Amino acid sequence: SYVLTQPPSVSVAPGETASITCEGNNIGRKSVHWYQQKPGQAPVLIIYNDDDRPSGIPERFSGSRSANTATLTISRVEAADEADFYCHLRDTSSDRHIFGGGTKLTVL
Amino acid sequence: QVRLVESGGGVVQPGRSLRLSCAASGFTFSTSTMAWVRQAPGKGLEWMSLIFYDGDNKNYADSVKGRFSVFRDNSKDILYLLMNSLRREDTAVYYCARGRGGGSFDYWGQGTLVTVSS
Repeated sequence: SYVLTQPPSVSVAPGETASITCEGNNIGRKSVHWYQQKPGQAPVLIIYNDDDRPSGIPERFSGSRSANTATLTISRVEAADEADFYCHLRDTSSDRHIFGGGTKLTVL
Repeated sequence: QVRLVESGGGVVQPGRSLRLSCAASGFTFSTSTMAWVRQAPGKGLEWMSLIFYDGDNKNYADSVKGRFSVFRDNSKDILYLLMNSLRREDTAVYYCARGRGGGSFDYWGQGTLVTVSS
């Protein structure tokens, strides 16, 4: 079955840029979505279809893809960005939805 | 505005059944794909099931296929998840979410906690 691999944790200082990766076989051929989840809250969609932002999501959040890695980039990180982040896609071969294991972003 | 409100969670013994509901408002439910996603305590997100707008097309994660059933009532704007033969490992917060084109889930409810314990 298809697997998405994320680093368990990423740390960054305020004002710096955070990059969270999501590795999957041929992920470059799939549409990848990203969610932010703060403690005790439901996930929030922040990037869809690789690099589109829903209304209300700051431009500081962006997405990109290469052959086997999707990346969420958060520019000018703020303390309020501290959260868990998940990548997600639909595996068309199995018609299943897959989530990465999640990355905890810590703002130092 | 879009609102999804889950209900029906609680404590249930292993082997028993439970039905979750998700009441939708603020959008055209009858034309929307809907999903269930769960999160075990301290763990990540796990997709459970998806149902297309007409209720005829559904799919399930392997971990629940044959035990869980998803269905919907488009006349009442309610999504359901019937969970049978519950196991301790089914303990989780269950979220309903709206699916959008491209496969993302753009709106989520606040979740309902299911605890499977004797």
